Amino acid sequence: SAVISQKPSRDICQRGTSLTIQCQVDSQVTMMFWYRQQPGQSLTLIATANQGSEATYESGFVIDKFPISRPNLTFSTLTVSNMSPEDSSIYLCSVERLAGQETQYFGPGTRLLVL
Amino acid sequence: GNSVTQMEGPVTLSEEAFLTINCTYTATGYPSLFWYVQYPGEGLQLLLKATKADDKGSNKGFEATYRKETTSFHLEKGSVQVSDSAVYFCALATGKLIFGQGTTLQVKP
Repeated sequence: SAVISQKPSRDICQRGTSLTIQCQVDSQVTMMFWYRQQPGQSLTLIATANQGSEATYESGFVIDKFPISRPNLTFSTLTVSNMSPEDSSIYLCSVERLAGQETQYFGPGTRLLVL
Repeated sequence: GNSVTQMEGPVTLSEEAFLTINCTYTATGYPSLFWYVQYPGEGLQLLLKATKADDKGSNKGFEATYRKETTSFHLEKGSVQVSDSAVYFCALATGKLIFGQGTTLQVKP
C-alpha cells in the first residue's frame, strides 16, 4: 500500500474564491488521480495527474476550473477555482504505485464547504 | 459502456448477522474488481480485490468471488460487528476505476 496525506483536511470557503488541495505520498508512484465525492454520492474521477505534463481530464471537468499540478512522483495539487456552493464535496486523491497495477490507494480526503 | 450496480441501501443488520451486498458489473474484457470501504469521516480503504474469474478476494472476514458467468462480485461476511458500519463501494478497473453508487451498512448491537 502507500501512505497518503492531504492538506487541508477540511475547509469552509466563500464563493468566488479558490482553494488548493495538496496530496503527498510517502514513496514514488507512477499514477495519481483526483476524485470528487458529492454529499451522499459515489466517487467521480476528475482527472489523472501526469508527472511532467498536463493532467488528463474526464468529461465534464476542465482545466480552468480544476487546475492540477504534479511536479514530481510523490506530490500533486488540485485547485478548485472560482468556487460556488455546488463545489461543496469531498475531494480525494489516489495513487497507483505501478502503471497497469490497477489497485488504487486513497488519501483521507479534503472536505470542502462553500458558502 | 462499463458500469457497476450495487444493491440499494441502507442495509441494517444486528450484530453477528450474515451480510451480503450485491454487486454486478457491465464491462468489455476481464476487468479487475474491488471492494472499498469508507468509514464515517474518512477516505476509502481497499477491502479486497480479485483480478480474474473465480478468484476469491478476502480480508477481515469479508469475501467476494469474481463470477464471470453472472458478472457479479457480491460481498459477504459471516458475522458482522458494529465496527463494520460504513459505506461499501464496489468498483471495476478498465484503465480507470469505475465505482458503484455505494451501499451503507448499519450494524446495531
